[in-house]
Amino acid sequence: KNEVEQSPQNLTAQEGEFITINCSYSVGISALHWLQQHPGGGIVSLFMLSSGKKKHGRLIATINIQEKHSSLHITASHPRDSAVYICAVGGATNKLIFGTGTLLAVQP
Amino acid sequence: DTEVTQTPKHLVMGMTNKKSLKCEQHMGHRAMYWYKQKAKKPPELMFVYSYEKLSINESVPSRFSPECPNSSLLNLHLHALQPEDSALYLCASSHGRSGSAGANVLTFGAGSRLTVL
Repeated sequence: KNEVEQSPQNLTAQEGEFITINCSYSVGISALHWLQQHPGGGIVSLFMLSSGKKKHGRLIATINIQEKHSSLHITASHPRDSAVYICAVGGATNKLIFGTGTLLAVQP
Repeated sequence: DTEVTQTPKHLVMGMTNKKSLKCEQHMGHRAMYWYKQKAKKPPELMFVYSYEKLSINESVPSRFSPECPNSSLLNLHLHALQPEDSALYLCASSHGRSGSAGANVLTFGAGSRLTVL
């Protein structure tokens, strides 16, 4: 079993839909990262959080430390949101543990 | 400047060639990373430099040789690579202060796509 599990692996949505991507982890962490990667492209850091909730534009990230679970929500989804979303957790070292990613396709 | 710049964007090399990938940032970050990413897989950590010193080497083969000439630059020297080394190579940086990548936001470059023939 991977230390960081994401679900779903693939997600197709219609433009405007509310989207949720989940991340569960089994190790102690200092912070959890949500990352976005467009096809063939570099990675953009969306959020880093260690408790509670953060919001940036149409994106919301939450984390429940006791349950070792985080969610990434996208409101009013748009085709430009189509990308791979990666959850990664970090502990006491400079090494992040990555989930396998969620491939999101938002259709117009 | 809030970017990590990687060059070249694309590189094709033969198994006997010697080439280098370069990474540059001017954000004052003191931790810099090389990751390797194969298609449809998450990034795999290769090396971490912290304050210009190599702090993590994830048992990477010696045909990959990292170098950190100063706090803004990170190189990855490539020699005698194999076709299976073809991948996207990503550089990243973070503040590297008190703690680790876990507690610092990483800024990634756009990557260098390497093809080994």
